Amino acid sequence: NAGVMQNPRHLVRRRGQEARLRCSPMKGHSHVYWYRQLPEEGLKFMVYLQKENIIDESGMPKERFSAEFPKEGPSILRIQQVVRGDSAAYFCASSKYQGKQEIQYFGPGTRLLVL
Amino acid sequence: GDSVTQMEGPVTLSEEAFLTINCTYTATGYPSLFWYVQYPGEGLQLLLKATKADDKGSNKGFEATYRKETTSFHLEKGSVQVSDSAVYFCALSDPASGGGADGLTFGKGTHLIIQP
Repeated sequence: NAGVMQNPRHLVRRRGQEARLRCSPMKGHSHVYWYRQLPEEGLKFMVYLQKENIIDESGMPKERFSAEFPKEGPSILRIQQVVRGDSAAYFCASSKYQGKQEIQYFGPGTRLLVL
Repeated sequence: GDSVTQMEGPVTLSEEAFLTINCTYTATGYPSLFWYVQYPGEGLQLLLKATKADDKGSNKGFEATYRKETTSFHLEKGSVQVSDSAVYFCALSDPASGGGADGLTFGKGTHLIIQP
């Protein structure tokens, strides 16, 4: 039973380029969450999606960041025109249902380095 | 808004020592509480959880009790092993609080180092 999968595991981009991070939730899970972990910091919530819908993007920067979870295929976190401050580990999590008792299962993360 | 505060690390202990990692929280609603563990280069794994006051979560020798009166969820283990070396995150979930975020709210993490 495969867990949450993320790719790539490591991504290097130059300033101004685009970064695309992919997340495939666990089988049977329709709720996806993206988090960002800055060095020496905890994880910060960015966005919560269900299939084809953004439910809560209150943690997402207003510019350059977008997320989608299409009917078919993985969830995508897109960062346009990356800057050095975007360097971080980006984690995806999924859950079967939504609610405060639900366990979120995390992927291994994508470590983005902006040169 | 909701927040989680953990003791600063790193915490360095000898093998078989008793472990406590403090965690306190503030929440507008009635959250569920979690401890996650992160090994180097990996994602987070759920260690244990508690969903209401006085619940005790336990797993792999680790325990934490949901204390509403002190708004705490301290992690304990009676005898640590070298393999317990990792970063431990306390987190809460309270999507109905109106605070805005449907995701988990995490503490900054506590780096635990166990020496042989």
